[in-house]
Amino acid sequence: SQQGEEDPQALSIQEGENATMNCSYKTSINNLQWYRQNSGRGLVHLILIRSNEREKHSGRLRVTLDTSKKSSSLLITASRAADTASYFCATGKSARQLTFGSGTQLTVLP
Amino acid sequence: GAGVSQSPSNKVTEKGKDVELRCDPISGHTALYWYRQSLGQGLEFLIYFQGNSAPDKSGLPSDRFSAERTGGSVSTLTIQRTQQEDSAVYLCASSLPGLAGNEQFFGPGTRLTVL
Repeated sequence: SQQGEEDPQALSIQEGENATMNCSYKTSINNLQWYRQNSGRGLVHLILIRSNEREKHSGRLRVTLDTSKKSSSLLITASRAADTASYFCATGKSARQLTFGSGTQLTVLP
Repeated sequence: GAGVSQSPSNKVTEKGKDVELRCDPISGHTALYWYRQSLGQGLEFLIYFQGNSAPDKSGLPSDRFSAERTGGSVSTLTIQRTQQEDSAVYLCASSLPGLAGNEQFFGPGTRLTVL
């Protein structure tokens, strides 16, 4: 079964609004990563948060991690039409692999 | 190179034929991964190479799937006797080594269609 599961599966917002996506996982992790995918092709790494961190920022992105609840959230502030994409969380327990969730499809309407 | 490259970008084949997909990782990245993504789904791990260590093949779905990595660089994923359910986007990623896992850099993928 998938380690990370994103919620919601789909999200549609107006440009300028904030978008929040959540990720839950099942086992202990060393880090959690968020990726973006446009048009069903290659993924682009957005941010990595380690298990001993609670919050991290990168530009308009804010990621939180709650290891007690085994959950993470990705907040995109002041969204733009170009943010339209699928967003995946991926949990890393070892260097062997990342385990990806099924993704949240974000649509930002102009 | 500047990024991970994959070829071909699209491959259409007939059921029962063999296909080879190629991945050229970022220079210096010792870790290389293959994933499969079916339409509208998340990524399914297939295989992981790290340096000269034996690859982790635990994600390969059947013995029709195999992969090699020559000289610690270019990797080839081979699917023998393709089936329609093999249709998917095959993604390759590379990363620097790290015990806890590092950022993975993805190629653009190969879209495989089995008729």
